[in-house]
Amino acid sequence: GAVVSQHPSRVICKSGTSVKIECRSLDFQATTMFWYRQFPKQSLMLMATSNEGSKATYEQGVEKDKFLINHASLTLSTLTVTSAHPEDSSFYICSARDNKNIQYFGAGTRLSVL
Amino acid sequence: AQSVTQLDSHVSVSEGTPVLLRCNYSSSYSPSLFWYVQHPNKGLQLLLKYTSAATLVKGINGFEAEFKKSETSFHLTKPSAHMSDAAEYFCVVRSPPNDYKLSFGAGTTVTVRA
Repeated sequence: GAVVSQHPSRVICKSGTSVKIECRSLDFQATTMFWYRQFPKQSLMLMATSNEGSKATYEQGVEKDKFLINHASLTLSTLTVTSAHPEDSSFYICSARDNKNIQYFGAGTRLSVL
Repeated sequence: AQSVTQLDSHVSVSEGTPVLLRCNYSSSYSPSLFWYVQHPNKGLQLLLKYTSAATLVKGINGFEAEFKKSETSFHLTKPSAHMSDAAEYFCVVRSPPNDYKLSFGAGTTVTVRA
């Protein structure tokens, strides 16, 4: 199946700093990528839809200035958590949609904000 | 609108015995349905998908699922559980008009006893 690479797998940062997470589709082009957040023992919550060459579409309640998304190429989307605070600590997962409308997921990034 | 209900939050089976994970969906349109598996601190891996072709779908690692429109169900089965099947399983639905958005069930935790 298609491969999506997400980096880093784990990051620990101080409160107030910004963190960038990368999501790459390795063997296919993805005009659309997605960013999810997962709390412990819970399901995935869609944060935003990332469209190559255009602005991301954010779900209700997600702060677009807090979670900056850039989808500059057909294989790369980035999520930047700006001015991170402890409540932003979570597991963030990206996915990329192929030309058959199937989403393939990255391995996730565990963010811990101290 | 679309939604998914996973009927069991936790399933425990003995190694070598069958596994059944139950999923019911709700959709105003003809849905596409997926089962994903997530191992601890990992991303989601696609097990199988139903996209309006054969109603009995075979996936990876010996899993299969049957789409039953009359029962609005998409239960996941495996005839013989293996220790490596211990993980979290998500039933997911996708349907028009938001044909790119996935709706996730709450997840079922599978434990396998030796």
